[in-house]
Amino acid sequence: IAGITQAPTSQILAAGRRMTLRCTQDMRHNAMYWYRQDLGLGLRLIHYSNTAGTTGKGEVPDGYSVSRANTDDFPLTLASAVPSQTSVYFCASSFTGTGNTEAFFGQGTRLTVV
Amino acid sequence: AQSVAQPEDQVNVAEGNPLTVKCTYSVSGNPYLFWYVQYPNRGLQFLLKYITGDNLVKGSYGFEAEFNKSQTSFHLKKPSALVSDSALYFCAVRDVESGAGSYQLTFGKGTKLSVIP
Repeated sequence: IAGITQAPTSQILAAGRRMTLRCTQDMRHNAMYWYRQDLGLGLRLIHYSNTAGTTGKGEVPDGYSVSRANTDDFPLTLASAVPSQTSVYFCASSFTGTGNTEAFFGQGTRLTVV
Repeated sequence: AQSVAQPEDQVNVAEGNPLTVKCTYSVSGNPYLFWYVQYPNRGLQFLLKYITGDNLVKGSYGFEAEFNKSQTSFHLKKPSALVSDSALYFCAVRDVESGAGSYQLTFGKGTKLSVIP
């Protein structure tokens, strides 16, 4: 089934540890995104990539890094986790042309930093 | 900069009654507008979008939304609510003139819809 796959679905992580959240899409979308969802704050963009080989910073990029080595994969890395990074993380992808610009979302990764 | 406001944290409606979930937006140019729904412990599902053309757009599950440029609004509507419509709804905007910048969507904070049997 076409779509976006995120892994893991949930994780409890000790503060200071490094963690990579994985995201893979099979829709050949050129753009990919990472959002975090927090109660009362909605979804906030962490990083994005308009095409393979390029990345950009979103609204809340501090403490996170991304890479886009190919079209399908867009991992998000927390170099040294802190409790404020406890959140639900969603990966999304879309085309960037006119018309078909809606984003499709993965099922999310629930991360708890203790 | 682009932004979205959803003025209601929660909307309660009786089953069978019409529902409206409000959204206003701000962009420097022309907007692409979207509605998404999120069920508990799930990702966001796309409902409908406005790109251009007819101001009334129809989407999944009987939902529709009306684009009003003068009021910068894009309210979500459904003529007859179902209990199964209870979920979290997000409005999102993208500036058409993003140009060489990012194409990401900016989301509102969400509105929790509760349909009461």
